[in-house]
Amino acid sequence: KAGVTQTPRYLIKTRGQQVTLSCSPISGHRSVSWYQQTPGQGLQFLFEYFSETQRNKGNFPGRFSGRQFSNSRSEMNVSTLELGDSALYLCASSLEIGGRGEAFFGQGTRLTVV
Amino acid sequence: GNSVTQMEGPVTLSEEAFLTINCTYTATGYPSLFWYVQYPGEGLQLLLKATKADDKGSNKGFEATYRKETTSFHLEKGSVQVSDSAVYFCALSEYNTDKLIFGTGTRLQVFP
Repeated sequence: KAGVTQTPRYLIKTRGQQVTLSCSPISGHRSVSWYQQTPGQGLQFLFEYFSETQRNKGNFPGRFSGRQFSNSRSEMNVSTLELGDSALYLCASSLEIGGRGEAFFGQGTRLTVV
Repeated sequence: GNSVTQMEGPVTLSEEAFLTINCTYTATGYPSLFWYVQYPGEGLQLLLKATKADDKGSNKGFEATYRKETTSFHLEKGSVQVSDSAVYFCALSEYNTDKLIFGTGTRLQVFP
């Protein structure tokens, strides 16, 4: 079956712009989480969604937002981009809720802010 | 808060050498523990997991045992291959959530 699909794979934006990243989970998975990966900070949790509800949010400014649709697809948005937002953004989906299941990761969207 | 600490890399080994990557955690309650691997240009793949104390996760020759008394989940492999070269992340998930807290990652380089 198809894995987690993230689009686009690569993105270059200018400071001050906004960006929307998309994640399609594995069919049947209703839990979607987002992570930011940078060389300096490593992997940091952004959000967790289940059945269109945000269950958990990481320690990021309000410029970072997300949502989940009824088909479990998720989007994250970053407004007023800063150079420090350059990172690999990873989406993961899970069948089970509650930390006991396996999280399947997409290949990520590499965002470069210039 | 909950956290994961893993050994700094890179770890450089010759093929067929024994591998240990140390991981310790701080958590309230009873987290699940995971090892993920990231190959160049790829996302993360689950390598193994353990959901309760004394559980041993294993996959592709890798093993790790959930040690509650030492709050550790060290990754081991008896004989590494060049194809094992990657970055390895130790992680925990908090109770009743899919949120993963990751260690900083350890780069493994295996030479023939």
